[in-house]
Amino acid sequence: DQQVKQNSPSLSVQEGRISILNCDYTNSMFDYFLWYKKYPAEGPTFLISISSIKDKNEDGRFTVFLNKSAKHLSLHIVPSQPGDSAVYFCAASAADFGNEKLTFGTGTRLTIIP
Amino acid sequence: EAGVAQSPRYKIIEKRQSVAFWCNPISGHATLYWYQQILGQGPKLLIQFQNNGVVDDSQLPKDRFSAERLKGVDSTLKIQPAKLEDSAVYLCASSPSRDTQYFGPGTRLTVL
Repeated sequence: DQQVKQNSPSLSVQEGRISILNCDYTNSMFDYFLWYKKYPAEGPTFLISISSIKDKNEDGRFTVFLNKSAKHLSLHIVPSQPGDSAVYFCAASAADFGNEKLTFGTGTRLTIIP
Repeated sequence: EAGVAQSPRYKIIEKRQSVAFWCNPISGHATLYWYQQILGQGPKLLIQFQNNGVVDDSQLPKDRFSAERLKGVDSTLKIQPAKLEDSAVYLCASSPSRDTQYFGPGTRLTVL
């Protein structure tokens, strides 16, 4: 039962263009969403998050959009840089669970082409 | 600020052997997590500690996995005996709040 889905295992984008990574979820109890970035042989690092009371959160080149009715969120990176090449994980949590348990998607490998 | 430390970074064992992983969280972080990440999948929570108490261990295979958090700081995760399907990266994370979890570099376990 995959409650958080990242249907694109990989994505290639030209340097300077926009990268759009997508994530869908099925559990309507999720109310907090995060994106993590992972380089090889390193642990995931936090990138950006969004609460369900918002539909957009922006931090520099990174913007996360949340569409609650569609149970869909996306991460936009603009402009894309070679250092953005990594695996990106979408994660979700629910306050009603009583803890900060994160449910992760399977990840999308982003490759930025110079 | 020092990050989450984990050791060893790599471990190769034969099936039915035992193995233990160690995690030192970021100072002051009350919550500690152990995740299992199988190749091609996202991290899956095994156990969550709040200080030295267990909050969630619903996905921990308790017949072979055990974990403890001594004095609410360091933590160890043990597998005894290991199976082939336990081959994965074991990630430790700590958190000061709900906003984010900080991950260590992980321990890559290979069971032969």
